[in-house]
Amino acid sequence: AQSVAQPEDQVNVAEGNPLTVKCTYSVSGNPYLFWYVQYPNRGLQFLLKYITGDNLVKGSYGFEAEFNKSQTSFHLKKPSALVSDSALYFCAVRDDSSASKIIFGSGTRLSIRP
Amino acid sequence: DAGITQSPRHKVTETGTPVTLRCHQTENHRYMYWYRQDPGHGLRLIHYSYGVKDTDKGEVSDGYSVSRSKTEDFLLTLESATSSQTSVYFCATRDEGQGGHYGYTFGSGTRLTVV
Repeated sequence: AQSVAQPEDQVNVAEGNPLTVKCTYSVSGNPYLFWYVQYPNRGLQFLLKYITGDNLVKGSYGFEAEFNKSQTSFHLKKPSALVSDSALYFCAVRDDSSASKIIFGSGTRLSIRP
Repeated sequence: DAGITQSPRHKVTETGTPVTLRCHQTENHRYMYWYRQDPGHGLRLIHYSYGVKDTDKGEVSDGYSVSRSKTEDFLLTLESATSSQTSVYFCATRDEGQGGHYGYTFGSGTRLTVV
């Protein structure tokens, strides 16, 4: 069965440093992968997706994600972190059994210190 | 969160009482979803709908029912609330017209506490 794993509950980065939030996936077919961000007391917001094509996907707020098929990973990255990037980040994969559904990881809390 | 309204935003209810949460969208999206968010579990799908009167179960559907009598409204009912249903509930929609590849749009959530 398809799944996503976010191995880190929390990531701490200093402002201005690069950040990486890790995600690995398991699917039986072609992966459809997503990243979402959740700010306090808000719903999730779509950041970016990988369907096909270039392995480096660019999204909102300066974020990008690198798809690596051999490592079954889809890590979220940003070259220079901002304090305002502090939030909860979710990786997600489309359900193999139903294109109507996506499955979320458990989330990683990103904390950027000034 | 524009286009999706969840009500109420907060609710405290007693064990054993029925509770209905409402999701209203103005996007005319065909697909609508109810998720619950709990620490350490991320978001888990409760039920979803692929059209008026067309619904299906998600991974954590026990104790919940849904109804969709109009495109814009998707109701989630806890038939007899239990403390394990204390959670934050999110509604989401998907625009099938874009091939569903642009992800979901989420509401702001309903925080439900069952005492």
